[in-house]
Amino acid sequence: GNSVTQMEGPVTLSEEAFLTINCTYTATGYPSLFWYVQYPGEGLQLLLKATKADDKGSNKGFEATYRKETTSFHLEKGSVQVSDSAVYFCALGNNAGNMLTFGGGTRLMVKP
Amino acid sequence: DAGITQSPRHKVTETGTPVTLRCHQTENHRYMYWYRQDPGHGLRLIHYSYGVKDTDKGEVSDGYSVSRSKTEDFLLTLESATSSQTSVYFCAISEMGDSNQPQHFGDGTRLSIL
Repeated sequence: GNSVTQMEGPVTLSEEAFLTINCTYTATGYPSLFWYVQYPGEGLQLLLKATKADDKGSNKGFEATYRKETTSFHLEKGSVQVSDSAVYFCALGNNAGNMLTFGGGTRLMVKP
Repeated sequence: DAGITQSPRHKVTETGTPVTLRCHQTENHRYMYWYRQDPGHGLRLIHYSYGVKDTDKGEVSDGYSVSRSKTEDFLLTLESATSSQTSVYFCAISEMGDSNQPQHFGDGTRLSIL
């Protein structure tokens, strides 16, 4: 079955540092890949997505590239801010399109 | 923000009691989902609905039932709650059952079963 593995957190960075959160997946076919973000006390919000190999999703300075050869979708940001502190979830959609499989989440803490 | 309201937002109850959580949407989306969120597991799908009275099981459906009598409402019921069902429950909606379409999430219900 489908599965998603994320690096365990928490990840603690200083403001303006470079961020990478690793995500690898196992799936049949060619799933769509997503990054969601969860701020304290809130539900998940879509951050970015990629629907096919070599696609790059981007939003709010975050980027992730769909790498089929390494089955990865790592999240990056060049300069993090305190307001980026949240939990980040990598997810993949199944081929039927009716289910998402999530990774365990990575907590990011950014210090001023 | 997508119009999704979960109720209640917090609930504490005892083992063996029935519990119903409600998800209400104002977007007229066809698909609705119930997830539970537990540390280290991310979100896991409990049940989903692809239309009125059309539902199917997800990854962790044992001990849960759902109903959808109207497009806008999706109910999750724990017939006899157990301590292992203590969790944060999220409802999500999507316009189509298409993996390219994102899901939009409610703010969650924190359920504690003592």
